Order: sequence, then structure tokens, then C-alpha cells
Amino acid sequence: DIQMTQSPSSLSASVGDRVTITCRASQGIRNDLGWYQQKPGKAPKRLIYAASSLQSGVPSRFSGSGSGTEFTLTISSLQPEDFATYYCLQHDSYPITFGHGTRLEIK
Amino acid sequence: EVQLVESGGGLVQPGGSLRLSCAASGFTFSDYYMDWVRQAPGKGLEWVGRIRHRASRYTTEYAASVNGRFTVSRDDSKRSLYLQMNSLKIEDTAVYYCARDLGASGVDYWGQGTLVTVSS
Repeated sequence: DIQMTQSPSSLSASVGDRVTITCRASQGIRNDLGWYQQKPGKAPKRLIYAASSLQSGVPSRFSGSGSGTEFTLTISSLQPEDFATYYCLQHDSYPITFGHGTRLEIK
Repeated sequence: EVQLVESGGGLVQPGGSLRLSCAASGFTFSDYYMDWVRQAPGKGLEWVGRIRHRASRYTTEYAASVNGRFTVSRDDSKRSLYLQMNSLKIEDTAVYYCARDLGASGVDYWGQGTLVTVSS
């Protein structure tokens, strides 16, 4: 199985900050990676697909980069509605696997 | 608008069975792969299984943790996805989400989930 190591597991930041979340795959997954945002009691929402493509309707302050084994999600200027938990997902090979999540909290 | 609505969750005893359903609307259901993903209380996301579309002969894939106990199926005429869960264990307790899967582009839309509690 491909392990997705996501870091940090939690992060405190302020409105307006730039934050970066990283996912590292245990083997190469090309660009078969998505980033998801989940708020308490809600379903996940996709932000980024194919590692760097912005999902339609998602604000441009979200961006993704990487290929192979190293991937990042960047929020350029945090907004109050961005405080949530973020997950990466690889779909290059079975089983599909998620990172363990990054909880983004207000400082 | 893409909508996925799960149903069928509830309380079941260990060793019991349950069948979840997911009703799809707002897109051509038969054109897409579909997945089940679960989330135990306070925990992260775990992929459960996938069913491909008719062109891929409705083939399925499962996580090792549910293989042989859970079965994913679909009825394109009813625009519905199903998860038959047998031999349920306490560790199967979770919110179960159905999700639309674009195949090469991954999972995009998710339902709101249905809670399954396995307890005696």
C-alpha cells in the first residue's frame, strides 16, 4: 500500500497568514493526488485535483504543487472560513489512501 | 447540481448486516465510477471500495479491511449505489460517504454521509 505522510498534523495560524501543508508518498504517484477540506460535521470538499489543478468554484488563494512523491497545498492568505481539516488523497494505485489530516486552527 | 444522498445507516450488533444506499442526481450516474469512504468518530478518512461503470464491466476494488465482508453494487436504472455490509465489527463504526469518482481525476463530489454504529 502507498502511505501518505501528511504534515503538520495541526497548525495554528492567523487570518492573512500564508500556510503550507505537505504530503509525501511512500512511492511515486505521478500527479494522482487531490486535496480536500473538511469542516466539522460536513462532507469533504475537493480543492485541488491532479496535484495542481484548482477545482471549479474554489478561491484562487488555494494552490497545489508537486509530482512523484512530494506535494504541497498552499493557502496564500488565510480567511476565517479556511479553518478546517485538510486531507490529501492518492488514487494512483489501490488501495486508495489518504493522509492523516492537518487540522488548521485559529491562533 | 450534483447531489449524493446516503441512507440506511443505524445501530447494528456485531456480526450483523446492513445495506447502505446512495441516491444520485444532477449528473449521468452511469458514466461514473463510484466509491464508498468512511470516517470513524474523530478519525481520518478511509477508502472502503469502488465500483466502475458499465464500460469497465462494473468491476470492483476493496480495502483489505473490508474485503470479503462488504460488497459494492449499483443500479444505473435507479441511479443508485449500494454497500452491503456483512459480519460487521465494532471497528466498522463510522460515517459512510458515497462519492463520485472520475477515475483518472479522482474523487470529486461527496454525499453528506450516513452513520453506522456497531455495538452490542
